[in-house]
Amino acid sequence: EAQVTQNPRYLITVTGKKLTVTCSQNMNHEYMSWYRQDPGLGLRQIYYSMNVEVTDKGDVPEGYKVSRKEKRNFPLILESPSPNQTSLYFCASGESWGASYNEQFFGPGTRLTVL
Amino acid sequence: AQSVTQLDSQVPVFEEAPVELRCNYSSSVSVYLFWYVQYPNQGLQLLLKYLSGSTLVESINGFEAEFNKSQTSFHLRKPSVHISDTAEYFCAVSPNAGNNRKLIWGLGTSLAVNP
Repeated sequence: EAQVTQNPRYLITVTGKKLTVTCSQNMNHEYMSWYRQDPGLGLRQIYYSMNVEVTDKGDVPEGYKVSRKEKRNFPLILESPSPNQTSLYFCASGESWGASYNEQFFGPGTRLTVL
Repeated sequence: AQSVTQLDSQVPVFEEAPVELRCNYSSSVSVYLFWYVQYPNQGLQLLLKYLSGSTLVESINGFEAEFNKSQTSFHLRKPSVHISDTAEYFCAVSPNAGNNRKLIWGLGTSLAVNP
């Protein structure tokens, strides 16, 4: 089954404690992306990746890091989480621009609370 | 830059009634248009998309949307809704060129179907 998986689905942590949210896709997609969803602000892109070892900032990258060492994985790293990073996070993947455009597939979301 | 406006934050409707969820966008470049649905406690699923061709697009569960370039709109409609259509609906656009396949999102419309 084609899917994007995220772990953990729920996480409560404290300010300053480093954490990683994993994202994995099994569709051999080149493009992957992270969004956060906040009430009144909608979904905003954090980082994206065009391929292995190719990453770039989205609209709200501050306080986050990503890596793309393998095609299937795109972890989101919070080195020193703060309460304003409490949010619902979604990972997405899709084909590259070279192919005809297809939908982006989204993971189930990770609800993060930073105390 | 692009922006998306969903004109109604909440739409209550009775079962079997018709519904229209409105979406307007602005963009200086050509875009692809999407409607995504988010059921309670679930991730985002693509409902339908407009890439090119016929301006009327349909989903498998009875929704349709019409791309109106002159009015820069992409309203979502269903002639008869079911209880199971209760969900959050998001309109999104993506520039159809460039490296970043970022989706720019509206704030969502909460559709509540009542018996």
